Amino acid sequence: QVQLQESGPGLVKPSETLSLTCTVSGGSISSYHWSWIRQPPGKGLEWIGYIYYRGTTNYNPSLKSRVTISIDTPKNQFSLKLNSVTAADTAMYYCARFAAYGAGYFDLWGRGTLVTVSS
Amino acid sequence: ENVLTQSPGTLSLSPGERATLSCRASQSVSSSYLAWYQQKAGQAPRLLIYGASSRATGIPDRFSGSGSGTDFTLTISRLEPEDFAVYYCQQYGGSPPITFGQGTRLETK
Repeated sequence: QVQLQESGPGLVKPSETLSLTCTVSGGSISSYHWSWIRQPPGKGLEWIGYIYYRGTTNYNPSLKSRVTISIDTPKNQFSLKLNSVTAADTAMYYCARFAAYGAGYFDLWGRGTLVTVSS
Repeated sequence: ENVLTQSPGTLSLSPGERATLSCRASQSVSSSYLAWYQQKAGQAPRLLIYGASSRATGIPDRFSGSGSGTDFTLTISRLEPEDFAVYYCQQYGGSPPITFGQGTRLETK
């Protein structure tokens, strides 16, 4: 079955760039939208953005100026870059598959990776 | 932004009881685009309901969703011990296109 796995540094310094990768296994990254969602400790879920396998993106306006999501279809991976991070960006970061057309829900999630922003 | 407000914030019930969770949107949501998730401690969210009322694969039939427009409900008919968790609603549409409610914590009484 299709599985998602996040990877990347667990600690990022303030003002630097957070970089994470999500590897999709057990199926193709083609034909779906792929998304990043985050959850600060003890708080709720915040959608960051998504990318279609063909490369079109849509970002949360609250993060749009700092976010880039990209996709590497031959590697079955998609990535998140969030620049100029502060302590407020400390969160569990999840990658997820988004069923967009006629659906609008996240049906597969990675286990998440905790990123702490601290010097 | 379409703000989703969930109530109550915390719901205290006993196993075997019925749970009713509410999700109210600040703007109308197409029923096709309203989903519910369950999140247990230390785990990723799990899709329960999509299209306001359709159960996701493998979800027991004690979970049901209903509603339209701006008012949606998740009902758990008879609570099992494993149902105590945090529940989120989520909508798709508008700008930004995806928003989540703040969550309802379902705890054991």
